[in-house]
Amino acid sequence: DTGVSQNPRHKITKRGQNVTFRCDPISEHNRLYWYRQTLGQGPEFLTYFQNEAQLEKSRLLSDRFSAERPKGSFSTLEIQRTEQGDSAMYLCASSPPAAGGVTGELFFGEGSRLTVL
Amino acid sequence: AQSVTQPDIHITVSEGASLELRCNYSYGATPYLFWYVQSPGQGLQLLLKYFSGDTLVQGIKGFEAEFKRSQSSFNLRKPSVHWSDAAEYFCAVGPTSSNTGKLIFGQGTTLQVKP
Repeated sequence: DTGVSQNPRHKITKRGQNVTFRCDPISEHNRLYWYRQTLGQGPEFLTYFQNEAQLEKSRLLSDRFSAERPKGSFSTLEIQRTEQGDSAMYLCASSPPAAGGVTGELFFGEGSRLTVL
Repeated sequence: AQSVTQPDIHITVSEGASLELRCNYSYGATPYLFWYVQSPGQGLQLLLKYFSGDTLVQGIKGFEAEFKRSQSSFNLRKPSVHWSDAAEYFCAVGPTSSNTGKLIFGQGTTLQVKP
């Protein structure tokens, strides 16, 4: 399978613990995105990388959240001192280099579901 | 403020019946427009997109959508629904200026298909 891969698929943790999610994008895609989806809502943008550079961060991404994409390949999203409000599905997506200035399709992974007890 | 509204949270249609899912947006300029589908345990899959040109766009799985600038709408249609179409559908908009792929999603419409 050469799609976007996310791990772990489900993480249950206690409040105050740190968690890390990993995303492996489609290999030729230089853009990588993190979104968060809570129950009954659409995905909300968190952050975006072009290669290894983090170009944009949503204000939803508090200082407890950090995302990295070393070497422009896989990415990690770490949440420190988790809170119950962090419970959500964390979605990763990737897209190929823009053609003619137009972003093509975002390819989404299946998501990593976080449950904070 | 930029937003996407999907007025119908839940829709039930009979198999073989036609379908229309509504999407309205609020944006400073004409955005890029998308419809995604999310099946249980699956990632979001792009059904179709509108960037420019013909306002009626065709997508995968027999879906189409029509962009109406005057109504700020991008409704999704299918002439005959199949049981496998049961899923959650999201309308999304994206910026034409920065083209970052940063999308704003609606809250989704859950489609149930009756046999």
